[in-house]
Amino acid sequence: EVQLVESGGGLVQPGGSLRLSCAASGFTFSDHEMNWVRQAPGKGLEWLSYITGRGSAIYYADSVKGRFTISRDNARNSLFLQMNSLRAEDTAVYYCARVLWFGGPSFDFWGQGTLVTVSS
Amino acid sequence: EIVMTQSPATLSVSPGERATLSCRASQSVSSHLAWYQQKPGQAPRLLIYGASTRATGIPARFSGSRSGTDFTLTISSLQSEDFAVYYCQQYNNWPPFTFGGGTKVEIK
Repeated sequence: EVQLVESGGGLVQPGGSLRLSCAASGFTFSDHEMNWVRQAPGKGLEWLSYITGRGSAIYYADSVKGRFTISRDNARNSLFLQMNSLRAEDTAVYYCARVLWFGGPSFDFWGQGTLVTVSS
Repeated sequence: EIVMTQSPATLSVSPGERATLSCRASQSVSSHLAWYQQKPGQAPRLLIYGASTRATGIPARFSGSRSGTDFTLTISSLQSEDFAVYYCQQYNNWPPFTFGGGTKVEIK
């Protein structure tokens, strides 16, 4: 069974940093591209970042470019999101999502999310 | 960046009735369009990819179609567990991947 479990969320002050983790199981992690997607309270879904299976290609949304860094450790079946210079508008539930490649990358499995609150 | 526009924002439907949800892309996305279902407090779940292919385990009452840059998700006979928010997403021109604003399907 495919499982993605996020952790590392919490309360952080504006300007602070946080590192999110996503533990994967039930599939060959290194074979799949991965993403981070977030959802602000009561709002829709916002894609943040994408990484290929071996980490050779990485992309970011403009809203987080230069502040957030995606990475992965295939030996530990883990995905990470390092978030720096956090702002109030970064408050959201953060999801990791696996790519299903069929003509293009849709997101076939999602974790349950971890809540990040940026507030003083 | 491709803008995805979903309508209506809220759809009130009685159980057993048909629900038709719309999603329009600001430019061609070919058939690289996915639909997701999200229930309160839960993660999104992939329903449809490739505009019309049901994901694994998705009931046949869910179907997707495309006409140019217009996409439709149809739920043929709404069950109680189908009341949720539905999002479309394009993955043709990326990055960025872009989602529509969502359609909430509520009980009439």
